[in-house]
Amino acid sequence: DAGVIQSPRHEVTEMGQEVTLRCKPISGHDYLFWYRQTMMRGLELLIYFNNNVPIDDSGMPEDRFSAKMPNASFSTLKIQPSEPRDSAVYFCASKRGTSTDTQYFGPGTRLTVL
Amino acid sequence: AQKVTQAQTEISVVEKEDVTLDCVYETRDTTYYLFWYKQPPSGELVFLIRRNSFDEQNEISGRYSWNFQKSTSSFNFTITASQVVDSAVYFCALRSSNTGKLIFGQGTTLQVKP
Repeated sequence: DAGVIQSPRHEVTEMGQEVTLRCKPISGHDYLFWYRQTMMRGLELLIYFNNNVPIDDSGMPEDRFSAKMPNASFSTLKIQPSEPRDSAVYFCASKRGTSTDTQYFGPGTRLTVL
Repeated sequence: AQKVTQAQTEISVVEKEDVTLDCVYETRDTTYYLFWYKQPPSGELVFLIRRNSFDEQNEISGRYSWNFQKSTSSFNFTITASQVVDSAVYFCALRSSNTGKLIFGQGTTLQVKP
């Protein structure tokens, strides 16, 4: 079975540019999560969706960040404009809304903003 | 408030030694879930185990074992006869039954030397 798929795996961009990160959750999973990992702050939840609807976006750092989930098999996290402090690894995770309740993570996107 | 504390930032052992990674959590919920994830040098987050608050039975899986004690709010992870391939960052995480959020500890970096 395919796991969570993220693209690109690495992204290098210049400050001020728009960045779009993509995620395909595991088929049949109805929850999708976006996390950010930095040395200073560790793993932080940015936003999560249930059945394509954003449930909690309290972790989104500021208005420069936006996330969408147009359908059950695709989500994007966009940063516009990007800043050097956005450099981090961004993980997408998904889970099935049952008692098993385990989130499975994608390989992550390493973003570097110069 | 919910919190996960992994007091050990880094641990270094020699191959074949046993090592225990500590995890202490805080929550006011009566129903919650605890997790361990492994992040090898390649960067992905690998799910290891999930425990719910009603199941204090310890679990063993090969060289891995977990000790869950509600009385001390701890969920410790022991690797027996460690191997170089065990070198990774290990994260403990907590999820309330009321929300979909995973709260991660800061992680413990384990280095197993040959």
